[in-house]
Amino acid sequence: TQLLEQSPQFLSIQEGENLTVYCNSSSVFSSLQWYRQEPGEGPVLLVTVVTGGEVKKLKRLTFQFGDARKDSSLHITAAQPGDTGLYLCAGPGEAGGYNKLIFGAGTRLAVHP
Amino acid sequence: DSGVTQTPKHLITATGQRVTLRCSPRSGDLSVYWYQQSLDQGLQFLIQYYNGEERAKGNILERFSAQQFPDLHSELNLSSLELGDSALYFCASSPVWGDFSSYNEQFFGPGTRLTVL
Repeated sequence: TQLLEQSPQFLSIQEGENLTVYCNSSSVFSSLQWYRQEPGEGPVLLVTVVTGGEVKKLKRLTFQFGDARKDSSLHITAAQPGDTGLYLCAGPGEAGGYNKLIFGAGTRLAVHP
Repeated sequence: DSGVTQTPKHLITATGQRVTLRCSPRSGDLSVYWYQQSLDQGLQFLIQYYNGEERAKGNILERFSAQQFPDLHSELNLSSLELGDSALYFCASSPVWGDFSSYNEQFFGPGTRLTVL
């Protein structure tokens, strides 16, 4: 069974700090996606990483896919209150599995002014 | 705005009742997915439809069923509701399914918050 484990579960920081959240699996994924979800809203896709070792940047967010395609990280530089939310990683399920996404449990980030 | 719409936004009902949640995918998207999100279970995949046909099932209870109509909108039917069914229910859509999918990127609707009393 493919599982994605995210850490930490919760993160509470001050505005301007840097942070990294992790998404790990014992399984190889063909790609991984990162979503951000705000309270009462649906998840919003931030990025998809496809190639082992790939690094993608989205303004102050840097996403990396592990060389073995079993893990990914999200680094936020100079966090702002607007970054507050639930960060979810997700990957295609197995068994012909572009049918569904497997989601991690998420990292809940709170950035305080 | 993802382009995926869900109605109703909130639903309050009693145990034993039956409800229907509705989803309209993004224009042109053929695949629709339903997810349940509760505090203790995270985001759980329920079922997927592609162009009107069921393609994949996740941890969907027998009391739950879904369908996708010719106009591609989808409905999730929840019956004999229990307190534990209280959750956020999300619909997502993606353009295609299978090998043609661009990594199965999905676009989520705003969700329906179901409260069973």
